[in-house]
Amino acid sequence: DTEVTQTPKHLVMGMTNKKSLKCEQHMGHRAMYWYKQKAKKPPELMFVYSYEKLSINESVPSRFSPECPNSSLLNLHLHALQPEDSALYLCASSQDKWAGVSYEQYFGPGTRLTVT
Amino acid sequence: AQSVSQHNHHVILSEAASLELGCNYSYGGTVNLFWYVQYPGQHLQLLLKYFSGDPLVKGIKGFEAEFIKSKFSFNLRKPSVQWSDTAEYFCAVNAGNTPLVFGKGTRLSVIA
Repeated sequence: DTEVTQTPKHLVMGMTNKKSLKCEQHMGHRAMYWYKQKAKKPPELMFVYSYEKLSINESVPSRFSPECPNSSLLNLHLHALQPEDSALYLCASSQDKWAGVSYEQYFGPGTRLTVT
Repeated sequence: AQSVSQHNHHVILSEAASLELGCNYSYGGTVNLFWYVQYPGQHLQLLLKYFSGDPLVKGIKGFEAEFIKSKFSFNLRKPSVQWSDTAEYFCAVNAGNTPLVFGKGTRLSVIA
């Protein structure tokens, strides 16, 4: 099973709402990632978790708050977002982050977020 | 910092034409190289990867890529494209303890 699942598929939220995106993998991967992808652009890295600890935050605004409850789950909590935050949010996982050895990342289908 | 350049923004080909998409990276050390594909409305899928060994790498769906270290290139090829190959193609690179860096992508449109 090389699947990364994400829920919901679509999300529309107002600027004062609080919502969460969920990601799950059952491949035994110990690294999980959040990316943001705007239309016709490459994914931009937001956060990296390695062994359930946040290891990289790419200067993401605090209105995005990641959480890794266990090695299979990754959440992204959203609060007070702006319309420019509308994008496809992708979750990915890999066997490990990177430690001189590289592993490919497996991507989920994404959550298409619209902020109104 | 690493960077990845994909020379072609949009490529239009007829079915059965041969495909070559360019990818160059800037990093002097050992790199790991990937090509991902994103079909319309679908998620990113790994086409192929290069870590070490034979520089000619074969991937899924008849794609292959050649790593040329002296040219810092990892071009993607397919001898004969099909309409179903219409998609966005991303080259990506990482090295050592660095995040994956994506190129800006090349949109491939295959027409009948």
